[in-house]
Amino acid sequence: QQQVKQSPQSLIVQKGGISIINCAYENTAFDYFPWYQQFPGKGPALLIAIRPDVSEKKEGRFTISFNKSAKQFSLHIMDSQPGDSATYFCAASRGGETSGSRLTFGEGTQLTVNP
Amino acid sequence: NAGVTQTPKFQVLKTGQSMTLQCAQDMNHEYMSWYRQDPGMGLRLIHYSVGAGITDQGEVPNGYNVSRSTTEDFPLRLLSAAPSQTSVYFCATRRTVYSNQPQHFGDGTRLSIL
Repeated sequence: QQQVKQSPQSLIVQKGGISIINCAYENTAFDYFPWYQQFPGKGPALLIAIRPDVSEKKEGRFTISFNKSAKQFSLHIMDSQPGDSATYFCAASRGGETSGSRLTFGEGTQLTVNP
Repeated sequence: NAGVTQTPKFQVLKTGQSMTLQCAQDMNHEYMSWYRQDPGMGLRLIHYSVGAGITDQGEVPNGYNVSRSTTEDFPLRLLSAAPSQTSVYFCATRRTVYSNQPQHFGDGTRLSIL
């Protein structure tokens, strides 16, 4: 049962363009929404995260937009660079749950930024 | 600090063989977990531990065993390898048992079952 659906599966953008990756979730109890970035041959690493009490969070060129009523959140990468080429995963969890609360990941998006 | 160390990096097994994937962390993190990554399926939780002596099943636990005798180590055992277990396996830790904080991943073990 996939509780977090991510799209697109792959994305190609030109250098300087905007990359947009979307996720939708089902469980209204989720209260923590991180994005992870993974380079080839490496493990994922936390990029940015948001909680549902805000609609947007920005860190440098990376922005999460959150729509609680639609149960959707998205990652925007402004001024995309070839070094941003990686696989991106959205995730969701009930962060305040007691011991062992778990992250549910989306399917992943392979981003390629052409020079 | 090494962070999360996984060994081996690559392994090829024959169907029916058993093996142990190692995961060690030097950050004194409470929570440790194992994921498998398959194309188009994201990361799926296999087993996790909230402290030494405490383990529990994740989303896809069948065919795998874990134990946690120390804070630092969390090995994953394949009892009788099957081709369906061909995957990339990641160990991940976080400082406490709550999920609203960064998870730190190792660089993975790439496992092929023939």
